[in-house]
Amino acid sequence: EAGVAQSPRYKIIEKRQSVAFWCNPISGHATLYWYQQILGQGPKLLIQFQNNGVVDDSQLPKDRFSAERLKGVDSTLKIQPAKLEDSAVYLCASSPMRGRAYNEQFFGPGTRLTVL
Amino acid sequence: GESVGLHLPTLSVQEGDNSIINCAYSNSASDYFIWYKQESGKGPQFIIDIRSNMDKRQGQRVTVLLNKTVKHLSLQIAATQPGDSAVYFCAETYSSASKIIFGSGTRLSIRP
Repeated sequence: EAGVAQSPRYKIIEKRQSVAFWCNPISGHATLYWYQQILGQGPKLLIQFQNNGVVDDSQLPKDRFSAERLKGVDSTLKIQPAKLEDSAVYLCASSPMRGRAYNEQFFGPGTRLTVL
Repeated sequence: GESVGLHLPTLSVQEGDNSIINCAYSNSASDYFIWYKQESGKGPQFIIDIRSNMDKRQGQRVTVLLNKTVKHLSLQIAATQPGDSAVYFCAETYSSASKIIFGSGTRLSIRP
């Protein structure tokens, strides 16, 4: 089974520029998550999709961050304009709806963003 | 100015010895507690979980202990190997939600 794919793996931009990240979840996984992981910290949930609808975006800085999941498969996360504090690894995860006790999440390798 | 991440606690263990990684949690309502392993350049990988009505669960070379009285979780790794080098995160969730909350991480390094 192919894992969660993310691109690019690395991105360096200057502050106030825009950037976009792409995620392709595991085939058949209905739920998709975007996390921000600042160096030395655990991942922090930014947004959660169920198919192509948003379930939770309470931690997403909506003045500069946006995300979409068209057709309920791939997803993009955009930052416009970027700030220095956005330097982090952006992780995508997906989860099946198997009726388990909780939704086990499978993570992609992440995109490391450096804002100069 | 540039933000700096928190300094991760580090545990250094001799190869072949047992490792014990500790975690404190805050939400008494959590139903499940999960340990993840994150190697350099990779996303977190599920290791083992434990339901809140249990106090111990064993996997292959790993054991998770849960002490709800003091809200403490630990991960024990038997016969630590070089491939165990990683950052380990504890996380919690509750069965009615699909949201997983990650706690602080510990970097495990192995001495040859």
